[in-house]
Amino acid sequence: ILNVEQSPQSLHVQEGDSTNFTCSFPSSNFYALHWYRWETAKSPEALFVMTLNGDEKKKGRISATLNTKEGYSYLYIKGSQPEDSATYLCAPEAGKSTFGDGTTLTVKP
Amino acid sequence: GAVVSQHPSRVICKSGTSVKIECRSLDFQATTMFWYRQFPKKSLMLMATSNEGSKATYEQGVEKDKFLINHASLTLSTLTVTSAHPEDSSFYICSASTGAGNEQFFGPGTRLTVL
Repeated sequence: ILNVEQSPQSLHVQEGDSTNFTCSFPSSNFYALHWYRWETAKSPEALFVMTLNGDEKKKGRISATLNTKEGYSYLYIKGSQPEDSATYLCAPEAGKSTFGDGTTLTVKP
Repeated sequence: GAVVSQHPSRVICKSGTSVKIECRSLDFQATTMFWYRQFPKKSLMLMATSNEGSKATYEQGVEKDKFLINHASLTLSTLTVTSAHPEDSSFYICSASTGAGNEQFFGPGTRLTVL
């Protein structure tokens, strides 16, 4: 089982603020890294899949970077909106996916 | 996007009974399906990985005779909690994928309460 750490555990920001959070994972046997968004009462939704060191992915105001050599990924949200409130999960894949405990983001209007 | 359904969404049962949870990929064929359990204030804990037509691979500490998994087709996997006990009460969620490195599509989950 991979040791996956996400920080911070929770985050409260004002609407319009930009924010970022971290996913740390063992760099050995890396295959891919997944980011998911999990809104309350909904299913987790895939945001990004990244495989190469230095990968950067972007979807609207959300972007992510990947460093496989040092074992971390950052997720950035620019100009947070209340609808961005959710738990963001990362899941490095090394044979199978292991989920971190997530970062719960609350965006206040 | 791909849709995964899970049924039932909520179930309450008596201790000692068995409960079956279904996970279906509605608009794609899932090579692999995953079953997760979520403990309070924790993330998703992988219980088992199932590939169509073969036996499921269980994670360490998950009793295969307790949590029976069947993946009979490319669109259906079932999890049966046998002889349920109150400590089996939890949120169970499935996901489906078309292969390693591909995103997982999650079902809405099943809240199991064992009295």
